[in-house]
This record gives sequence, structure tokens and C-alpha cells, in this order.
Amino acid sequence: EVQLVQSGAEVKKPGESLRISCKGSGYSFTSCWIAWVRQMPGKGLEWVGIIYPGDSDTRYSPSFQGQVTISVDKSISAAYLQWSSLKASDTAMYYCARLPSRSYYFYMDVWGKGTTVTVSS
Amino acid sequence: EIVLTQSPGTLSLSPGERATLSCRASQSVSANYLGWYQQKPGQAPRLLIYGASSRATGIPDRFSGSGSGTDFTLTISRLEPEDFAVYYCQHYGSSPPWYAFGQGTKLEIK
Repeated sequence: EVQLVQSGAEVKKPGESLRISCKGSGYSFTSCWIAWVRQMPGKGLEWVGIIYPGDSDTRYSPSFQGQVTISVDKSISAAYLQWSSLKASDTAMYYCARLPSRSYYFYMDVWGKGTTVTVSS
Repeated sequence: EIVLTQSPGTLSLSPGERATLSCRASQSVSANYLGWYQQKPGQAPRLLIYGASSRATGIPDRFSGSGSGTDFTLTISRLEPEDFAVYYCQHYGSSPPWYAFGQGTKLEIK
């Protein structure tokens, strides 16, 4: 079974750093892009960025460029989304999702359950 | 930058009725790169339709997608209680990569 398992909920203070994870299983992790998608409370879906674990090719939404860093450790089939200095406006649910192809012109067919990030003083 | 606008914002129907959800793109897009997702409260989105009209694995045949150019439609032929959720359309065919989502249509029980 193809699965993406995300790390648990986080509560942080403004200015703190954070890295959340997404571990893939049941498929060739290095052969499919992983996307990160943000959903702020009560709002819709926003694309953050994508990474290809095979060669770490990374692309960011212009809205998130410079605000977050996406990385991967293919030895453990994990992708990461990290912040160096969190803001209250980063409070949201963050999903990882798989694009089942080497091409990034693809839909997101499998999703993780999401990681809730709460940033509050 | 492609913008997707979904209508209506909220659709109130009864089980057994037919639902028609609309997604309009700000410019013509290839149907190959248009998808639909369902999201229930407290759950992750689930892929329903890709390539405008192909059902994803395990999706019941009461869900169907159609459209071309700037206008796309998700139809649920006969609503089941579990179909009441929020539905998002998505375009995934831009270069550089850009994954536009519509703002969502909430399908609620009347």
C-alpha cells in the first residue's frame, strides 16, 4: 500500500525553527515528486513547493520562496519542510502529497494525513 | 498565472439528488492537467478525477468530470450521505511548475 506518513502536531513560539517530515512507503520514493500543500484554518489549499527525491530538484511557489526550505533524505524515504524563524501566520495544516511521475505536470494521487503547526506566543 | 474560480461557493442538496460543480479557469488550459479533489472535515484531500474526466482508483462511477478550455464540471449523479464535503479543482500543467487550486465548493445537506 502506498503511504505517506507525516510527523506529529507542533506548537511553537514566533521566531523558533521547525522541521516537519513526510515518510513514503510502498513505492519507489526516488521516482515520484513530493509536494507540500498548506491549508490555513478554515481556508483552501495552497501549493508550497515540490521536490524530486531522486536528485533533490526543488521548486517553490513564488508565495513561499525564501520563507521555507524543502529537503529530502532518500536513504530513509523522507521529505522535509522547514522554517528558520516561524511567524504566527505560519499557523496551518501542512500536507505532503505524491505526484506519481518524474514529470511535475501531474496530479497529487496520495496524501499524508497532515501536520498541524501552531505558532503562538 | 492561472486562477481557478469555483461556483457555487456552497451547494445545498439532498441525498439522491444530482450535484453539478463548476470550475472556471482564467485562461484556456489543457484538460489533461485538470483534477478534482474531495476533502471531508478533519481529513486530507482525496483525488477524485484527473485529466478532467478520468476517475482515480477506487472512486465510484457516480462521480464524473467533463469540460475543456476554461470550463470544467464535476458531476455527482446521485448523492450519497458520504459525498457531502468540500470539493476543489486543480490545474497542474504550468511551467514553471504551478499548482493552482480553486477556492472550493462546499456541498452540504439540505
